[in-house]
Amino acid sequence: GAGVSQSPSNKVTEKGKDVELRCDPISGHTALYWYRQSLGQGLEFLIYFQGNSAPDKSGLPSDRFSAERTGGSVSTLTIQRTQQEDSAVYLCASSLGAGAWATEAFFGQGTRLTVV
Amino acid sequence: AQTVTQSQPEMSVQEAETVTLSCTYDTSESDYYLFWYKQPPSRQMILVIRQEAYKQQNATENRFSVNFQKAAKSFSLKISDSQLGDAAMYFCAYGPPSGTYKYIFGTGTRLKVLA
Repeated sequence: GAGVSQSPSNKVTEKGKDVELRCDPISGHTALYWYRQSLGQGLEFLIYFQGNSAPDKSGLPSDRFSAERTGGSVSTLTIQRTQQEDSAVYLCASSLGAGAWATEAFFGQGTRLTVV
Repeated sequence: AQTVTQSQPEMSVQEAETVTLSCTYDTSESDYYLFWYKQPPSRQMILVIRQEAYKQQNATENRFSVNFQKAAKSFSLKISDSQLGDAAMYFCAYGPPSGTYKYIFGTGTRLKVLA
């Protein structure tokens, strides 16, 4: 697609429910990143995909968080048993490759998750 | 580990005036990228300007320019002739050298433009 697309734009969920956040990167971008932006905070790295593989999951805050990427394209971030502290904007970005020599990360508009 | 620090949570500037946003970073790498991203209320992160660490010349993009001081690990953004549309959160980011991938972001500076 023309840009990075994320859905839903906004999600309100009850504490304890599972949620799935979707990211559709720019066509041809092999690297995909998930970041979390909490109120008043910067962007916190969650996970990185190169193709369908996730070499680094170190940013995932707990085992309630998981992510997958299929076909080297769409990625889904799943949060199980949501907690109020999971409330944040979840941003997805993609780039041509992991190396930074000729690329920058293009971001989606994010999903604002509110856990009530 | 790399870190990025933005010490100004909020800045204000009069329309048509110039403002400078500060950013410092820490890395042991010699080659890397630095970025300034703008995040308006729409949440879309928009690349404002990019600096390649191996280039001594400061990057410029129309009204936006940077002051890159590699030895001091400083990367400030200057916005000239500020416009109302410049009001947004501005994030400084460190881009990894080849072979790594983790972009490191500062906590952001909220820029208000006063008419």
